[in-house]
Amino acid sequence: GEEVAQTPKHLVRGEGQKAKLYCAPIKGHSYVFWYQQVLKNEFKFLISFQNENVFDETGMPKERFSAKCLPNSPCSLEIQATKLEDSAVYFCASSRTFGEWNTEAFFGQGTRLTVV
Amino acid sequence: QQQVKQSPQSLIVQKGGISIINCAYENTAFDYFPWYQQFPGKGPALLIAIRPDVSEKKEGRFTISFNKSAKQFSLHIMDSQPGDSATYFCAALLAGRRALTFGSGTRLQVQP
Repeated sequence: GEEVAQTPKHLVRGEGQKAKLYCAPIKGHSYVFWYQQVLKNEFKFLISFQNENVFDETGMPKERFSAKCLPNSPCSLEIQATKLEDSAVYFCASSRTFGEWNTEAFFGQGTRLTVV
Repeated sequence: QQQVKQSPQSLIVQKGGISIINCAYENTAFDYFPWYQQFPGKGPALLIAIRPDVSEKKEGRFTISFNKSAKQFSLHIMDSQPGDSATYFCAALLAGRRALTFGSGTRLQVQP
């Protein structure tokens, strides 16, 4: 597709429940990124993939967060045992393999996760 | 530790005026500096970007000014329009890392 598709748009979970978010990158894009945007607009990088391989996971909380990008499937971000502080908008972005400087990332519309 | 500092937090400009948003960075290994525009309920969209070997880049009403020695860059929106009202984020990219480091955002309101 020509846009990054994220589902669902909204997700409400009780504390301790699992949350799973999905992202279909733009066709032909090799890199997928997950970012967390909290209420004060701050973006926090979580993880990136190059095709199905983890490229950079330095932003991922170690314990409850996991992510996958499997061939022929949407990428996913899963949060086990959600906490109130996980409430945020989660953005997925994808980019084509360009030269080092030209790295335009296209963002999806985000999934708003509310933990109650 | 915030590696990209953005100011102001909010900005009100009259229609036709110039909007100026500033960013400062710390890490000299950053080599790509994009600006993103975000409307409520939407994802950020790339507006304009610059490399550190260029001091200015202009695309339509949008200009990035880049000062490598001061480690600062700014976005200028000429002839600001109400449709420009959005949140603007500067960002920086480390070579080889591909993940963006964002500034904290500037909420721009252009009054008619």
